[in-house]
Amino acid sequence: DGGITQSPKYLFRKEGQNVTLSCEQNLNHDAMYWYRQDPGQGLRLIYYSQIVNDFQKGDIAEGYSVSREKKESFPLTVTSAQKNPTAFYLCASSAIDSLNYGYTFGSGTRLTVV
Amino acid sequence: GENVEQHPSTLSVQEGDSAVIKCTYSDSASNYFPWYKQELGKGPQLIIDIRSNVGEKKDQRIAVTLNKTAKHFSLHITETQPEDSAVYFCAASLNSGGYQKVTFGIGTKLQVIP
Repeated sequence: DGGITQSPKYLFRKEGQNVTLSCEQNLNHDAMYWYRQDPGQGLRLIYYSQIVNDFQKGDIAEGYSVSREKKESFPLTVTSAQKNPTAFYLCASSAIDSLNYGYTFGSGTRLTVV
Repeated sequence: GENVEQHPSTLSVQEGDSAVIKCTYSDSASNYFPWYKQELGKGPQLIIDIRSNVGEKKDQRIAVTLNKTAKHFSLHITETQPEDSAVYFCAASLNSGGYQKVTFGIGTKLQVIP
């Protein structure tokens, strides 16, 4: 079955550590996205990528980094510069013309700072 | 930029009753309006969408209406069932520099009481 897989489901980070969240899709979608979800704040865009080896900052990119070396993969690194990283992180993908297909979301990674 | 407002933030209905969630958007260039359902601990799932050249779309118990003049669109769920309980997000999408930018509403938590 085609889909988008995020791992791990739960992640714990110590202060000062960098952590990487995995996102893989087998939908042959060109575009991939990372969103952060906090209670009462909806979905906020961190980074997006429309093509391999290219990505753009979203609305809240500070403290995060991404790479897009393969079409199927779009990992997100939460760096120690992100002051409040505890949140639910969602990866999504879409055909380049998202007008036709909308987004397919992964099941999310819940990151907690300990 | 685009701004999407969603009301109400919480909604409780008796099983079998109808539920209506309303959204307004600010940018008249928005041309695609998807709705997502998010169950607890999962990623959002696209349930229905509508394009700007269509006024209404229906899929079984779910319907969406769009009023371009007033810049508002609504989700209607009829004959609600307990499994409809979830958080629902509306979104507005427009083309911004070759990228289809999506802005999400803050979400509505729907509770269907058996």
